[in-house]
Amino acid sequence: SQQGEEDPQALSIQEGENATMNCSYKTSINNLQWYRQNSGRGLVHLILIRSNEREKHSGRLRVTLDTSKKSSSLLITASRAADTASYFCATAPGGGTSGSRLTFGEGTQLTVNP
Amino acid sequence: DTGVSQNPRHKITKRGQNVTFRCDPISEHNRLYWYRQTLGQGPEFLTYFQNEAQLEKSRLLSDRFSAERPKGSFSTLEIQRTEQGDSAMYLCASYPWGVPSSDEQFFGPGTRLTVL
Repeated sequence: SQQGEEDPQALSIQEGENATMNCSYKTSINNLQWYRQNSGRGLVHLILIRSNEREKHSGRLRVTLDTSKKSSSLLITASRAADTASYFCATAPGGGTSGSRLTFGEGTQLTVNP
Repeated sequence: DTGVSQNPRHKITKRGQNVTFRCDPISEHNRLYWYRQTLGQGPEFLTYFQNEAQLEKSRLLSDRFSAERPKGSFSTLEIQRTEQGDSAMYLCASYPWGVPSSDEQFFGPGTRLTVL
């Protein structure tokens, strides 16, 4: 079963608006990563946040991590039509070494309307 | 192209047939992972290799599934006696374990399997 749960399952916004997606997980983690998947294709890594970090930025992306609540959020600012995709959070298990298997959430389908 | 490649990209087969997929990781990436993704869901871990050694297998990997990485380079995933429930996207990823990195796994485009 999937460890991660994401909400919303689907999000539709207008170009230029911000998009926020949330992810919850159940067990201890080493790090949490966000991936993007365009329809029917492979996953592209977006950003990683380690368990001892609380916030991280990369371009238009901002990710936060609250280990006490076992949750994370991904914010995409100034969205573009090209951001339309499915977004998945993935956790690497706590206590594991780097390069451990990832456990993915069920994803948020983001649609950005021009 | 130096990314992860997978072949074939699409496979349609009849129930009961055997299928084999291939994954070529990024060269010098010593870890290779297989995941399965069904429609509308996130990927689920199946198994992973470090070089030629299979280090972990998920309970999802029934005895009809076998994965190999004989020379520590490319890997194959075989499904015997396919069932309709095997229809999914099979994703491969690689990672340079032991090299300081971002922990990012690099994914291939996937092989979409349809079992009729």
